[in-house]
Amino acid sequence: DTGVSQDPRHKITKRGQNVTFRCDPISEHNRLYWYRQTLGQGPEFLTYFQNEAQLEKSRLLSDRFSAERPKGSFSTLEIQRTEQGDSAMYLCASSPITVLNSPLHFGNGTRLTVT
Amino acid sequence: EDQVTQSPEALRLQEGESSSLNCSYTVSGLRGLFWYRQDPGKGPEFLFTLYSAGEEKEKERLKATLTKKESFLHITAPKPEDSATYLCAVLEGGSWGKLQFGAGTQVVVTP
Repeated sequence: DTGVSQDPRHKITKRGQNVTFRCDPISEHNRLYWYRQTLGQGPEFLTYFQNEAQLEKSRLLSDRFSAERPKGSFSTLEIQRTEQGDSAMYLCASSPITVLNSPLHFGNGTRLTVT
Repeated sequence: EDQVTQSPEALRLQEGESSSLNCSYTVSGLRGLFWYRQDPGKGPEFLFTLYSAGEEKEKERLKATLTKKESFLHITAPKPEDSATYLCAVLEGGSWGKLQFGAGTQVVVTP
């Protein structure tokens, strides 16, 4: 169990630029989740996948955000035309089955700063 | 709308001084309540899942309990290594993957 890996750990970008983050889940986990966390708050759900299918997406998620998991393994989260309000820690998690019956294993996140 | 509220926001304890954290929730048809621990700069780490009122779970110095409206995380005789932010989350009705988290309680245990 090598854990959930996220890349990069830190990203600084200028407003209006596009950014892409990568998440490699634990290999046998078929469910993958993206959350966003700002300082002093708990993680906020963005979206989740079962294998390559995106099963749920937050209604709060802007159209500037898109996530993919093309082969059911790693996932990417892209933010287009970044805004200062996008500055946050982006967390990825995985689980082998439904979150009701197995814990989420979180990575250590990608910290995004939009200047 | 479903809500998860944690109190207090922050807690400072002396080593050995037991205390409790509260997580109150309003959700229709609770299917699971989860406790996680988060250290600075790291992702949350799973502690417990509780499914129904009256259920209790223990792990080392931590004990989680659940009622119909709230959950408590009891820390017995804490040590400095128990310093962390403790997060509570609920699984929303109708979803199989969307956990709704509270804002957390930051616990500092001093020697």
